Amino acid sequence: EAQVTQNPRYLITVTGKKLTVTCSQNMNHEYMSWYRQDPGLGLRQIYYSMNVEVTDKGDVPEGYKVSRKEKRNFPLILESPSPNQTSLYFCASRGTSDTQYFGPGTRLTVL
Amino acid sequence: GENVEQHPSTLSVQEGDSAVIKCTYSDSASNYFPWYKQELGKRPQLIIDIRSNVGEKKDQRIAVTLNKTAKHFSLHITETQPEDSAVYFCAARTDSWGKLQFGAGTQVVVTP
Repeated sequence: EAQVTQNPRYLITVTGKKLTVTCSQNMNHEYMSWYRQDPGLGLRQIYYSMNVEVTDKGDVPEGYKVSRKEKRNFPLILESPSPNQTSLYFCASRGTSDTQYFGPGTRLTVL
Repeated sequence: GENVEQHPSTLSVQEGDSAVIKCTYSDSASNYFPWYKQELGKRPQLIIDIRSNVGEKKDQRIAVTLNKTAKHFSLHITETQPEDSAVYFCAARTDSWGKLQFGAGTQVVVTP
């Protein structure tokens, strides 16, 4: 089954404790991206990647890092999480068609 | 960069009535306009999209219209049903590998 997966789905952590949210797709898609969703603000892009070893900032990259060492994986790294990074995070991928597929989401709470 | 505005932020309709959500975009180079539906606790899913060389597209009870001159596009849902209750997002993109710029979303509530 073609899909985008994320782990973990829920995470409660404390300020400053490094964390990684994994994202994987099995559709051989070149384009992958990370969004955060906050009430009233829609989906805002954090980082995106057009292929292996090619990443770039989106609209709200501060406080986040990404890497793309393999085509299927695109982890999101929070080196020192802060409470303003409490949000719902979605990974997404797209191939040569227009359709962008979203992962199931990761709800992160930073205390 | 591209800016997408979406209205209204909430929309309550009676079952069987029509719902219309409107979006405006700022970059005249945008050429792809998808609509996503997000049910409570779920991921956004594409429901319909339109390219700039087409003025209208329909899929059963949903349709999208595009006015390039005015730089706005709309989602129309006819004969609404309770399962249409969700948050709907519009988006715009300028080129094949460009990013999708999303609107803020519209919470649609269909009351029986």
